[in-house]
Amino acid sequence: LAKTTQPISMDSYEGQEVNITCSHNNIATNDYITWYQQFPSQGPRFIIQGYKTKVTNEVASLFIPADRKSSTLSLPRVSLSDTAVYYCLVGGPDNYGQNFVFGPGTRLSVLP
Amino acid sequence: NAGVTQTPKFRILKIGQSMTLQCTQDMNHNYMYWYRQDPGMGLKLIYYSVGAGITDKGEVPNGYNVSRSTTEDFPLRLELAAPSQTSVYFCASSFRQGGMDEQYFGPGTRLTVT
Repeated sequence: LAKTTQPISMDSYEGQEVNITCSHNNIATNDYITWYQQFPSQGPRFIIQGYKTKVTNEVASLFIPADRKSSTLSLPRVSLSDTAVYYCLVGGPDNYGQNFVFGPGTRLSVLP
Repeated sequence: NAGVTQTPKFRILKIGQSMTLQCTQDMNHNYMYWYRQDPGMGLKLIYYSVGAGITDKGEVPNGYNVSRSTTEDFPLRLELAAPSQTSVYFCASSFRQGGMDEQYFGPGTRLTVT
């Protein structure tokens, strides 16, 4: 499984756009990139998934460059309720078991 | 749909006791997972299952056992509880293999071993 590296923490202010970048230098050809959000005392929640280029849904955008060695989760106009931990996960049909892990994630704090 | 449900929500065990954490999903997902999350850390995979009757170890399986007799249920058994097993346990399920598909997580079970 491709090892991922994310910033440990980020601060932002309400109304700003937040970009969280994840590095995954040894991503495999069949791997997808998935982002999850976790609030305190809750299980993670799926945000967005992509394979290449750009993916957008109602809550976020995911930008993936051509070499796929990194990806950027973009949260437009964050609010206080976006304060959470964000996890980048890279995996595909060849990844299972001991290689399937969530890293420490990025702790986003949105300030008023 | 209830999604993924877990019981109990909280539990305190004494060292050496055993217990079963229950997990049920009503989405007819083949893939199910058990994770543990220690304070301030990411999730670590304990066991997973690709369908009824098929289970395999994850990153941290020692001290745990699982079974998958039906598509809906995936209980996690703790034998001889130890303080190192104090953690929050999350069960999850997905339609396709977890690296390719959205995983749906339960609300978690907070376990303390003293």
